Amino acid sequence: DGGITQSPKYLFRKEGQNVTLSCEQNLNHDAMYWYRQDPGQGLRLIYYSQIVNDFQKGDIAEGYSVSREKKESFPLTVTSAQKNPTAFYLCASSPQAVSSHNEQFFGPGTRLTVL
Amino acid sequence: SQKIEQNSEALNIQEGKTATLTCNYTNYSPAYLQWYRQDPGRGPVFLLLIRENEKEKRKERLKVTFDTTLKQSLFHITASQPADSATYLCALDATGGSYIPTFGRGTSLIVHP
Repeated sequence: DGGITQSPKYLFRKEGQNVTLSCEQNLNHDAMYWYRQDPGQGLRLIYYSQIVNDFQKGDIAEGYSVSREKKESFPLTVTSAQKNPTAFYLCASSPQAVSSHNEQFFGPGTRLTVL
Repeated sequence: SQKIEQNSEALNIQEGKTATLTCNYTNYSPAYLQWYRQDPGRGPVFLLLIRENEKEKRKERLKVTFDTTLKQSLFHITASQPADSATYLCALDATGGSYIPTFGRGTSLIVHP
């Protein structure tokens, strides 16, 4: 089955802890993205990567970090510097980031709750 | 500043009717516009893409229009079914030519049997 997976589905974190969200895709897509979704709000872009070993900040990158060591994987670390991390996190991929046809394929999401 | 506006109030319609959802934008000159469906607790799923030089696009019971003069897209579901109940998001490419879509907040559609 081709697709994009995220784990875990639910994650609880104590204040002051860093936590890493997993995102894997087997679609052979070059580009990957992380979004945050809060109730009643649209998706906000945290980071994106157009190619292995390269990534760019999105609109709300503060308090987050990413890596792209493999084409298939784009993990997101939520650091203790992120003041309000409780949210629904969505990972996505697309064949290319710079394209006139940029349909995005989303994972099932991880719901992070800070206790 | 750039804004994408979708009706925050849920749209309630009766089964069999046509649902029409609106996406308005300001301070954009998008090259394309996309519509996604999102079910509660799940990731969005791509439905349709329409380019700036296209007026209308159809896929089965779905139809999207794109009016760059009005800065508006309409998303229609004909012969709606309860299974169509979900939140529908529109997305436009960001300015600057990065082609990374910026998403609206979405409109919830509820189809009553």
